[in-house]
Amino acid sequence: EIVLAQSPGTLSLSPGARATLSCRASQSVSGSYLAWFQQKPGRAPRLLIYGASSRATGIPDRFSGSGSGTDFTLTISRLEPEDFAVYFCQQYGSSPQTFGPGTKVEI
Amino acid sequence: QVQLEQSGAEVKKPGASVKVSCKASGYTLTDYYMHWVRQAPGQGLEWMGWINPNSGGTHYAQKFRGRVTVTRDTSISTVYMEVRNLRSDDAAVYFCVRGSRILARGPEPFDPWGQGTLVTVSP
Repeated sequence: EIVLAQSPGTLSLSPGARATLSCRASQSVSGSYLAWFQQKPGRAPRLLIYGASSRATGIPDRFSGSGSGTDFTLTISRLEPEDFAVYFCQQYGSSPQTFGPGTKVEI
Repeated sequence: QVQLEQSGAEVKKPGASVKVSCKASGYTLTDYYMHWVRQAPGQGLEWMGWINPNSGGTHYAQKFRGRVTVTRDTSISTVYMEVRNLRSDDAAVYFCVRGSRILARGPEPFDPWGQGTLVTVSP
């Protein structure tokens, strides 16, 4: 099973700041089948990025993903108030599909 | 638009069973895999398994084999997930989420998600 580690655990930033979130896999993620989700309290996760760098439908271009192999990054170029949430990475190229523990982006 | 509508919150005693439903709309159920993911309070996301609604074939994470069953009723575009012999650590929000197209050449991301069903396990 591929284990995903996310860092930092919590990111404290101000609106307008740039956020850089990391996701590291215990082994190479095949086909760069790496996704990022945003989750707000009491809500279901929302797909932001798939295939490591493709934005999902309706996702603003301030969200971008990069990386390959074992190291992936989600960047939020300028934080908006609605971006404060928990972000999870997931690899979906190998079974079992696994999730990282999450990074909380707080004000 | 594509939507997954889950059944309401449940309160169960240890040792009981719970069955959560997930009704798909806006697309053909049998064209996509359906997965189940759970989230314990304040915790991360845990993948449980999937069903191929076209064939009825299933695959479960190792820790859930023998205790979790996913089924479907294609006539009403609904998938079900049953957990038997509930324990306190099964208390969680359970999500259904659409996966890859059955005929896709490669894996596709999880999208969209149901709204979640809270299962409480209490004596």
